[in-house]
Amino acid sequence: EVQLVQSGAEVKKPGESLRISCKVSGYRFTTYWINWVRQMPGKGLEWVGRIDPSDSYTKYSPSFQGHVSISVDKSISTVYLQWNTLKASDTATYYCARIVVTGTGRFDPWGQGTPVTVSS
Amino acid sequence: QSVLTQPPSASGTPGQRVTISCSGSSSNIGNNDVCWYQQLPGTAPKLLMYRDDQRPSGVPDRFSGSKSGTSASLAISGLRSEDEADYYCAAWDDSLSGVVFGGGTKVTVL
Repeated sequence: EVQLVQSGAEVKKPGESLRISCKVSGYRFTTYWINWVRQMPGKGLEWVGRIDPSDSYTKYSPSFQGHVSISVDKSISTVYLQWNTLKASDTATYYCARIVVTGTGRFDPWGQGTPVTVSS
Repeated sequence: QSVLTQPPSASGTPGQRVTISCSGSSSNIGNNDVCWYQQLPGTAPKLLMYRDDQRPSGVPDRFSGSKSGTSASLAISGLRSEDEADYYCAAWDDSLSGVVFGGGTKVTVL
């Protein structure tokens, strides 16, 4: 069974750093891109960016470029989303999702989500 | 402001048919497949439709998708209480080289 299991909820202060994770199992890890999607409280879905686990190539939405970074550790089939300087506006639930066919919006499956709260 | 445009809400009584629209442009819907996601309260989104009108296994045939030009639609026929959820359209965007979403439509079963 294909599974994406994310790390647990986080509570941080503005200015702090954070790395959340998405552990993949059930298929050959380097075959499919992994994406991150943000959902702010009571709002819709926003694509953050993606990584190709085979070569670590990343692509970010212009809205997130320069503020987050996506990385991968192939040895443990895990993808990360990292912030160096959190802002209150980063408060959201972040989902990782596998893209099934390159060049489509077909995400399947999704991780369970990691709630991130940034508050002083 | 989302790249793809959906109505914020739709509703119907049990058994009725509800249709959700999704409008985009030539760089996304007009040139690429559309997917739809269902997000039940407090849960992660789930793939409901792909390649415009294809249902993953396990999705009831009450759900159907279509696309024409730069617009797509999701129809739910025989509406049931368990269909009450948020629905999102998504497509690859050639200009962005990434995925764009609609703002979501909340379906209420009256």
